[in-house]
Amino acid sequence: GENVEQHPSTLSVQEGDSAVIKCTYSDSASNYFPWYKQELGKRPQLIIDIRSNVGEKKDQRIAVTLNKTAKHFSLHITETQPEDSAVYFCAARSGTYKYIFGTGTRLKVLA
Amino acid sequence: DAGVTQSPTHLIKTRGQQVTLRCSPKSGHDTVSWYQQALGQGPQFIFQYYEEEERQRGNFPDRFSGHQFPNYSSELNVNALLLGDSALYLCASSRASGGGDTQYFGPGTRLTVL
Repeated sequence: GENVEQHPSTLSVQEGDSAVIKCTYSDSASNYFPWYKQELGKRPQLIIDIRSNVGEKKDQRIAVTLNKTAKHFSLHITETQPEDSAVYFCAARSGTYKYIFGTGTRLKVLA
Repeated sequence: DAGVTQSPTHLIKTRGQQVTLRCSPKSGHDTVSWYQQALGQGPQFIFQYYEEEERQRGNFPDRFSGHQFPNYSSELNVNALLLGDSALYLCASSRASGGGDTQYFGPGTRLTVL
């Protein structure tokens, strides 16, 4: 069945460094890939998304890259800050309306 | 502009009972999806409702059912509760026009089954 693998499960970086989270999807028909940030006890918040007709998208310190051939996409956070500490989820829209989420990456930014 | 709201915030039930969770979509949205998020896991797609009909379903048993009302709000019903149904239940709304990609999540309902 459809699957999204996410790595690493935990990531610690020094404040100011970059963080990269990678996801791989199985359904080649997937065409939309959002990233969500979830702080403890709060709802997932959409931080950036990319569609399959685009290879890269950037929004200030956050960027997402997509490699359709390899079926993987990545989240890049530059100049990390303590408030970036949270759990990050990638997702892929599989089929017309079904979203498959990764298992999450716990990012800790050390001051 | 109201975001996605859910009620109740927390719920405690015992095995075998039934539960109903409610979701009001973001203003201007007409599509509601429901997810189950177990502790330490990513959200798992349960189903999506549009025009008062279920239009796609994930790998969940028939004990999970839903409904969408004319005002686009939605309910999730779970019958014959099992201990394994304990989780955070999230709804997400989107707008069907323009692709309907972007989903916004509600705060969730924490269900505990004893």
